[in-house]
Amino acid sequence: DSGVTQTPKHLITATGQRVTLRCSPRSGDLSVYWYQQSLDQGLQFLIQYYNGEERAKGNILERFSAQQFPDLHSELNLSSLELGDSALYFCASSVGPRDSYEQYFGPGTRLTVT
Amino acid sequence: DAKTTQPTSMDCAEGRAANLPCNHSTISGNEYVYWYRQIHSQGPQYIIHGLKNNETNEMASLIITEDRKSSTLILPHATLRDTAVYYCILLIQGAQKLVFGQGTRLTINP
Repeated sequence: DSGVTQTPKHLITATGQRVTLRCSPRSGDLSVYWYQQSLDQGLQFLIQYYNGEERAKGNILERFSAQQFPDLHSELNLSSLELGDSALYFCASSVGPRDSYEQYFGPGTRLTVT
Repeated sequence: DAKTTQPTSMDCAEGRAANLPCNHSTISGNEYVYWYRQIHSQGPQYIIHGLKNNETNEMASLIITEDRKSSTLILPHATLRDTAVYYCILLIQGAQKLVFGQGTRLTINP
């Protein structure tokens, strides 16, 4: 158990819909990272937040957005969903912005878009 | 991030040492070698990292060649629970993101 929690575990929704994935980092960690893992793209970094502020951006689509709240939990919002958005979404956390190498990953949310 | 090359798959017998190679011939002086693994559909798990010297922790050992162009992750006594995809990643300390390649699918056989 990494100490990072993600909800929900599974999500099934239709194309065009909007969903919100939630992540609670390990106690004491200020950085939260979001990754997407699909069969054809592998594990890809989406975005990082540190103490409420966006810190780094990866290959995140404009239809996707994220935020980190004062209690440090984070939410990833996916809108106008397409079939290709079906994937595992992982959240990870680390102590600070410069400790990205030791990231602790949550169990993931499996999103299925039908 | 510099490129790493790993074998697509490897097999190892339970109880034996598993040696996973990684080539990183274009590594720069300030890049660390990190290893993560992902057990089927679980979140990736940090294993170990190093810069120049060999490193050992409770999970594994990391051997980095003197020219730093390659490294080997060693699981000293592999168990069935070590079956996973192992990722070798190069990272400048303080970098913001992990860049995962295809990794090596390690299968431990009874």
